[in-house]
Amino acid sequence: EDQVTQSPEALRLQEGESSSLNCSYTVSGLRGLFWYRQDPGKGPEFLFTLYSAGEEKEKERLKATLTKKESFLHITAPKPEDSATYLCAVQAHSGAGSYQLTFGKGTKLSVIP
Amino acid sequence: EAGVTQFPSHSVIEKGQTVTLRCDPISGHDNLYWYRRVMGKEIKFLLHFVKESKQDESGMPNNRFLAERTGGTYSTLKVQPAELEDSGVYFCASSQDPKQFFGPGTRLTVL
Repeated sequence: EDQVTQSPEALRLQEGESSSLNCSYTVSGLRGLFWYRQDPGKGPEFLFTLYSAGEEKEKERLKATLTKKESFLHITAPKPEDSATYLCAVQAHSGAGSYQLTFGKGTKLSVIP
Repeated sequence: EAGVTQFPSHSVIEKGQTVTLRCDPISGHDNLYWYRRVMGKEIKFLLHFVKESKQDESGMPNNRFLAERTGGTYSTLKVQPAELEDSGVYFCASSQDPKQFFGPGTRLTVL
């Protein structure tokens, strides 16, 4: 069974204080690892897809990296508007053609001015 | 381009009643997924449509849940009869490649 574990559950940062969120996973044949951002009362918003170990993607203050067992979301000099819950999900190769996402519980990030 | 839309945004019903949730995917997306998040837990997969066909319904909790996708466009998820444990937020997502785009969700409360 595919599993995703995210840590920490919650993280408080001062504005400008860089940090990293962790996503550990086990999956039977990784097709892709996804990072989403979710604001209260809204649906998950797509950030990145990573497909193979060693791959990196960047968007503004966010950088996602991938190894064979985990992914990191690095946040550089965060701003209060980066406050949200960050979700990690994996998608496995499927002979049946179904590409469901298996999610972690998320990391709730609060950036204090 | 319009995103994934869901209706209603909130629904409060009594145990034993019926509720129907609707999802309109991004135009042209063949793949439509339903997920659910119950309080304190992670988002979990319910089922996957490709056009109007059910590709995978392994996540459906029981036969009180019925999903349909008319003509490969919008989808409905009916819960009949609703139980207390069905409370949660139901998300719909659509895709045409590996990344899935989510709607805002429907918050269902069963009293």
